[in-house]
Amino acid sequence: DSGVTQTPKHLITATGQRVTLRCSPRSGDLSVYWYQQSLDQGLQFLIHYYNGEERAKGNILERFSAQQFPDLHSELNLSSLELGDSALYFCASSVSGTYTDTQYFGPGTRLTVL
Amino acid sequence: GENVGLHLPTLSVQEGDNSIINCAYSNSASDYFIWYKQESGKGPQFIIDIRSNMDKRQGQRVTVLLNKTVKHLSLQIAATQPGDSAVYFCAEKTSYDKVIFGPGTSLSVIP
Repeated sequence: DSGVTQTPKHLITATGQRVTLRCSPRSGDLSVYWYQQSLDQGLQFLIHYYNGEERAKGNILERFSAQQFPDLHSELNLSSLELGDSALYFCASSVSGTYTDTQYFGPGTRLTVL
Repeated sequence: GENVGLHLPTLSVQEGDNSIINCAYSNSASDYFIWYKQESGKGPQFIIDIRSNMDKRQGQRVTVLLNKTVKHLSLQIAATQPGDSAVYFCAEKTSYDKVIFGPGTSLSVIP
């Protein structure tokens, strides 16, 4: 158990809908990272938040957005969902925002778009 | 473009043997590399890392080798055990914060 929690574990929805994925980092960790893992694209970095502020963006679509709240939990919002958005979404946390920090991954949310 | 790739998508080894998983990276500016292990149904788990100013780093039963001349990274697992069966990803960081993962190698340990 990494100490990172993600909810829900599974999510099934329809095209065009909007969903919110939630991540709680390990106690004391200030950074949260979001990743997408799909069969065709592999594991891809989406976005990084540190202490409530956006730090870096990766391959995140404009239909996707994220935020980190004062209690340090984070939410990833996916809108206008398409079939291709079906994937595993992981969040990870680390103590600070330095790039050599060890990242601890959560168990993931499996999103299925029908 | 940036690319991190693995030579072998699948690897089967006998229990007790040593495993070697390879990874090629294309960006010579990458200065930090990480190996992750992902078991079925779980998130990636950090195994070991190495900075570009090092050639070798050892952990418990694992060793990472970095050859910057040919942009090659390898993960060696000594005395491979059934619990080592998983998908292994190499990753590189090319800037302060963005990480690029390789496609992964599936390691299967034969009892």
